[in-house]
Amino acid sequence: RKEVEQDPGPFNVPEGATVAFNCTYSNSASQSFFWYRQDCRKEPKLLMSVYSSGNEDGRFTAQLNRASQYISLLIRDSKLSDSATYLCVVNANTGGFKTIFGAGTRLFVKA
Amino acid sequence: DTEVTQTPKHLVMGMTNKKSLKCEQHMGHRAMYWYKQKAKKPPELMFVYSYEKLSINESVPSRFSPECPNSSLLNLHLHALQPEDSALYLCASSPRTTEGEKLFFGSGTQLSVL
Repeated sequence: RKEVEQDPGPFNVPEGATVAFNCTYSNSASQSFFWYRQDCRKEPKLLMSVYSSGNEDGRFTAQLNRASQYISLLIRDSKLSDSATYLCVVNANTGGFKTIFGAGTRLFVKA
Repeated sequence: DTEVTQTPKHLVMGMTNKKSLKCEQHMGHRAMYWYKQKAKKPPELMFVYSYEKLSINESVPSRFSPECPNSSLLNLHLHALQPEDSALYLCASSPRTTEGEKLFFGSGTQLSVL
């Protein structure tokens, strides 16, 4: 089982749609969680941190469920510019700092 | 705009060449990283420097040699690479190497080994 798993997609959605991505992690010692966005041939950029209480940034909402070991990202009112790969990232302190990237979920938003 | 600067943006080299990738950040971050990313795959950690000392080497072949001259600079020296080493090489920094740290990536060097 991979340490961080994501549905690779692609998700093809029309503009204005709401889309949700999930990510599961296997290490219960994981302590911090992030979503990064990566455009084709570009570097990953931090989209948002994920907290147990849930957090929102404009059209983006992130949730963490520690009991079930998954995190989610919800995008409302999708824009063409949201088309990208969304990477789930988990940090764990297991006798040493470790950052684990999920394989990413590809999103295509169409007009 | 990224505050982590990488040069060159593109590099083509032969298997007998020696080249270096450079990375610079002026955010006062004390941890710097090299990642390798193949197409449609997530970034893979190669090296971590913490306070200018190598703290993690993810069993990277010796043909890749990192160097951290000071707290703002990170180099990756390349020698005798193989075609399968062709990839996007990403530098990143974070304030420290503790859990919860957000990574700031440079725009990467797209490397092709012929």
